[in-house]
Amino acid sequence: KAGVTQTPRYLIKTRGQQVTLSCSPISGHRSVSWYQQTPGQGLQFLFEYFSETQRNKGNFPGRFSGRQFSNSRSEMNVSTLELGDSALYLCASSLDTTGGTYGYTFGSGTRLTVV
Amino acid sequence: KQEVTQIPAALSVPEGENLVLNCSFTDSAIYNLQWFRQDPGKGLTSLLLIQSSQREQTSGRLNASLDKSSGRSTLYIAASQPGDSATYLCAVHYGGATNKLIFGTGTLLAVQP
Repeated sequence: KAGVTQTPRYLIKTRGQQVTLSCSPISGHRSVSWYQQTPGQGLQFLFEYFSETQRNKGNFPGRFSGRQFSNSRSEMNVSTLELGDSALYLCASSLDTTGGTYGYTFGSGTRLTVV
Repeated sequence: KQEVTQIPAALSVPEGENLVLNCSFTDSAIYNLQWFRQDPGKGLTSLLLIQSSQREQTSGRLNASLDKSSGRSTLYIAASQPGDSATYLCAVHYGGATNKLIFGTGTLLAVQP
């Protein structure tokens, strides 16, 4: 079966712009989580969605937002981009909010570069 | 504060060696623990998932153990190969209000041919 699909794979944006990243979870998975990975901070949790509702949010500024659609696809948006937002953004899907029997499956990520 | 630590940060071994990667966590009330592999510039590949009620899991040359009481997990790789070279990440999942994965900083493994 198809894995977690993230688009686009690479993005280059200018400071002050906004960006939208997309994630399609594994078919049947209802939970989608987003993580930011940087060399300095490692992997940090952004937020989690389940059945179109944000269930949990990490310690990021309000410029970071997301949503989930009825087909479980999720988008995250970053407004007023800063240089420090340059990172690999990873999406993970799971069957339920507990990480379930099968844990989390990650996508290949979107590499965002802010110049 | 829930923290996950991995030791060593980097490891270089000759091909064929058996090796152990360590992961420790401060809060033992975990739901499960997952080991991932990450190749440079890529996403995360799940290796093994251990539920809180389990002591170990095995997949091929990989064996992961879990000791909740001491807050430790180990990933054992048998007969290492150059293709095993990657960063290995340990992630602890806490349920309830903290429903997220908390990652360690990873161990960068290089297996020399």
